[in-house]
Amino acid sequence: GENVEQHPSTLSVQEGDSAVIKCTYSDSASNYFPWYKQELGKRPQLIIDIRSNVGEKKDQRIAVTLNKTAKHFSLHITETQPEDSAVYFCAASSPGSQGNLIFGKGTKLSVKP
Amino acid sequence: DTGVSQDPRHKITKRGQNVTFRCDPISEHNRLYWYRQTLGQGPEFLTYFQNEAQLEKSRLLSDRFSAERPKGSFSTLEIQRTEQGDSAMYLCASSPAGATGELFFGEGSRLTVL
Repeated sequence: GENVEQHPSTLSVQEGDSAVIKCTYSDSASNYFPWYKQELGKRPQLIIDIRSNVGEKKDQRIAVTLNKTAKHFSLHITETQPEDSAVYFCAASSPGSQGNLIFGKGTKLSVKP
Repeated sequence: DTGVSQDPRHKITKRGQNVTFRCDPISEHNRLYWYRQTLGQGPEFLTYFQNEAQLEKSRLLSDRFSAERPKGSFSTLEIQRTEQGDSAMYLCASSPAGATGELFFGEGSRLTVL
C-alpha cells in the first residue's frame, strides 16, 4: 500500500522567512496530494492540494510543487507569520482508495516573531 | 449544519470497558471516514463508509473495533474491551461523492484508557 514520508519533523524559522516541507510517496498510482494544517487541539484543515496532472499550484503565500517522476511533493510558505505556527501534514491518495488519505507524520512549524 | 461534529469530545475509561463514539457528518456528504491520531503522528485510516456501506477497513482495525452507519447519516465507532494502547484521538471526516477531494474533519474524540 501507499507510504508517505515527511521531512523535517520540526522546523523553526524567523518571521518573514520561507519554510519548505517535503514529502515522498511510494505508490506511483497516487494522484491527489493535499496538505493539512493542524493547530494545537484543533481539527486538521486543508490548506492546499494538488492533483497529478499539474506540477505546481499557488494560493497567496503558500504553494505546492509535485514531481511525479521522483514521487515527491513539497509545501512552500513564504513571508511566514507567527499564525503559521502549527503542525502540517502531507497526504496522498490513489484512484482506487475511494478518497482515503495516507498521511505523513507531520512537521511542527514554529515561526519566531 | 456548520461542520462535522463528534461526541463525546473526551472519554476516560478503565481498561476492559467498552466505549462508543458518535460522528455526525456534513449533511450532504455521503462519504464518512474514521481515523486515529496519536501524539506526534499523522492521522491513520481506520475505516470508510459510502452511505451505509462499509467499504474499507484498515488492518489497524482489530476485532475489538466495530463501526456502523445504519442510515447513511451519523456513524458510531465502538471499541470493546479497551486497552491502554487504544488511547488516542479518534477523528471522523466526511466528504461528498465524486472525485477525491477535501476531507472535512471533526474536532475528534479523545480517548484515555487507564
